[in-house]
Amino acid sequence: EPEVTQTPSHQVTQMGQEVILRCVPISNHLYFYWYRQILGQKVEFLVSFYNNEISEKSEIFDDQFSVERPDGSNFTLKIRSTKLEDSAMYFCASGQVDGETQYFGPGTRLLVL
Amino acid sequence: QQQVKQSPQSLIVQKGGIPIINCAYENTAFDYFPWYQQFPGKGPALLIAIRPDVSEKKEGRFTISFNKSAKQFSLHIMDSQPGDSATYFCAAPGRRALTFGSGTRLQVQP
Repeated sequence: EPEVTQTPSHQVTQMGQEVILRCVPISNHLYFYWYRQILGQKVEFLVSFYNNEISEKSEIFDDQFSVERPDGSNFTLKIRSTKLEDSAMYFCASGQVDGETQYFGPGTRLLVL
Repeated sequence: QQQVKQSPQSLIVQKGGIPIINCAYENTAFDYFPWYQQFPGKGPALLIAIRPDVSEKKEGRFTISFNKSAKQFSLHIMDSQPGDSATYFCAAPGRRALTFGSGTRLQVQP
């Protein structure tokens, strides 16, 4: 069964450093998303991406964040200058139809020291 | 962005019990309401979803009940098992995003 994959599974970085989180969505999906989950809290929407551009973003997704689909398979989330409060699980998701089922990857646990 | 209120925050039942988790949502232009199951250290996995043209949907031991006029939907787990112990999230769709409830940590005791 096709699944969303994410790398790395864990990332530790120093405050102020740039990190890139990588995702490979399910191959025939058209809609791509990033969510984050601070430990013990709910899953929060960051950004959605369709047709090679951002279609929606939350207030969390400020100028420090960017997304890119550099080729036909990868979907990346970049945090330019990490802050302590960026420590969280980051989940990539993809879907075939807007507003319907989103399939989540296993997540990247980011720890900012 | 819409709000989704989920309750209870945590739930402990005995094996075979029927835990019920409730969600209330605000307005939505979409007609698709999923429940996700999340095990520790894993990503949310779609469990079951419903469209409001029906009031109930069953898949195996999992049932969603939907009350469109009240803007509420609930998850029932029949004959719950210890392997069902996980965190459950309801979600409501918005444009290009899911808004998740705060989650219910379910523990099914043997």
